[in-house]
Amino acid sequence: LAKTTQPISMDSYEGQEVNITCSHNNIATNDYITWYQQFPSQGPRFIIQGYKTKVTNEVASLFIPADRKSSTLSLPRVSLSDTAVYYCLVGDSGAAGNKLTFGGGTRVLVKP
Amino acid sequence: GAGVSQSPRYKVAKRGQDVALRCDPISGHVSLFWYQQALGQGPEFLTYFQNEAQLDKSGLPSDRFFAERPEGSVSTLKIQRTQQEDSAVYLCASSHREGLTEAFFGQGTRLTVV
Repeated sequence: LAKTTQPISMDSYEGQEVNITCSHNNIATNDYITWYQQFPSQGPRFIIQGYKTKVTNEVASLFIPADRKSSTLSLPRVSLSDTAVYYCLVGDSGAAGNKLTFGGGTRVLVKP
Repeated sequence: GAGVSQSPRYKVAKRGQDVALRCDPISGHVSLFWYQQALGQGPEFLTYFQNEAQLDKSGLPSDRFFAERPEGSVSTLKIQRTQQEDSAVYLCASSHREGLTEAFFGQGTRLTVV
């Protein structure tokens, strides 16, 4: 399984855009990149998943360069409620039994 | 309910006691996963079920940990002779496909062994 590296923590302010970059140098051809968000005392929540280029949904955007060795999660105009831990995961989502391997995540603190 | 439900939410056990943690996945979800999350850490994989079959138990830390999903729906994680190092949040997740695309997690059970 491809290993991921992401910053331990990031601070931001309300209304700003937050960009979290994840490195995954050993990503395999069949691997997808998935991001989860976790609030205190809750289980992780799926945010977005992508394979290449750019994916956007109502919550975030995911930018993946051509070599796919990194990806950037972009949270537009964050609010205090976006304070959470964000996990970058890489794996073959279509494979039976593929288990999500979480790293330490990035703790994002949004300040007023 | 529409989501993954776990019970109890909190469990305090004396060292050496056996505990059973329950997970009700989303109806119809084929895949079910158990994770262990220590304070300040990311979730660590424990085991995986596809319907009633336990296809991967490589993450179970010792033979004191046992999981089952006899009818392919509700799952139970059992920990025998609990130790202090078992204190953690135990998370259950389910997914509607064999592979793991968008997984839905429960709120977890916080186990404290005293």
